[in-house]
Amino acid sequence: DADVTQTPRNRITKTGKRIMLECSQTKGHDRMYWYRQDPGLGLQLIYYSFDVKDINKGEISDGYSVSRQAQAKFSLSLESAIPNQTALYFCATRASGYAGELFFGEGSRLTVL
Amino acid sequence: SQQGEEDPQALSIQEGENATMNCSYKTSINNLQWYRQNSGRGLVHLILIRSNEREKHSGRLRVTLDTSKKSSSLLITASRAADTASYFCATDLTYDKVIFGPGTSLSVIP
Repeated sequence: DADVTQTPRNRITKTGKRIMLECSQTKGHDRMYWYRQDPGLGLQLIYYSFDVKDINKGEISDGYSVSRQAQAKFSLSLESAIPNQTALYFCATRASGYAGELFFGEGSRLTVL
Repeated sequence: SQQGEEDPQALSIQEGENATMNCSYKTSINNLQWYRQNSGRGLVHLILIRSNEREKHSGRLRVTLDTSKKSSSLLITASRAADTASYFCATDLTYDKVIFGPGTSLSVIP
């Protein structure tokens, strides 16, 4: 099983719908991240979390919200999806205590019609 | 504008040649990391270089860091078709906020 699992892997929805993307990890890491990838723009940081009670906005948090339900789970919500939120979304984790590598999930491809 | 910018945006080389990608950034960093992404897949960590290091090697990879110029380079030697992917630099602004550049798309022609 993958260390960082994202669900769903693909989702097509309509404008105005509420969407939740879920991320779970078995690495035991405290730090979790949500990124968005658009073609040619690299990854943009949406939110990141140090632990269950510590959540921080990233570069592009408008239109998104997150929930850290447990150390292992970090969900990203789009309260009212719009077409320009069509993108590939990645969850990543990192151990606390030192500045090491990020471990990524396989991504959730979201299409908003 | 983004913290990190890779150059070139796209690179096409023959198998066996070396590939060099550059990354420039704007603010002070704790470390700089390079990641690889195969088409549409999750990113995979390649190498990390700390702000007090100038060069680091890992297999066919060589990374340099010049903090005075706020730039880094990734060299892949003796490239293979399997190296075809997008490569991203990521800057660690604090120990928890990691910002990525737009990436370099590398094509290695057999």
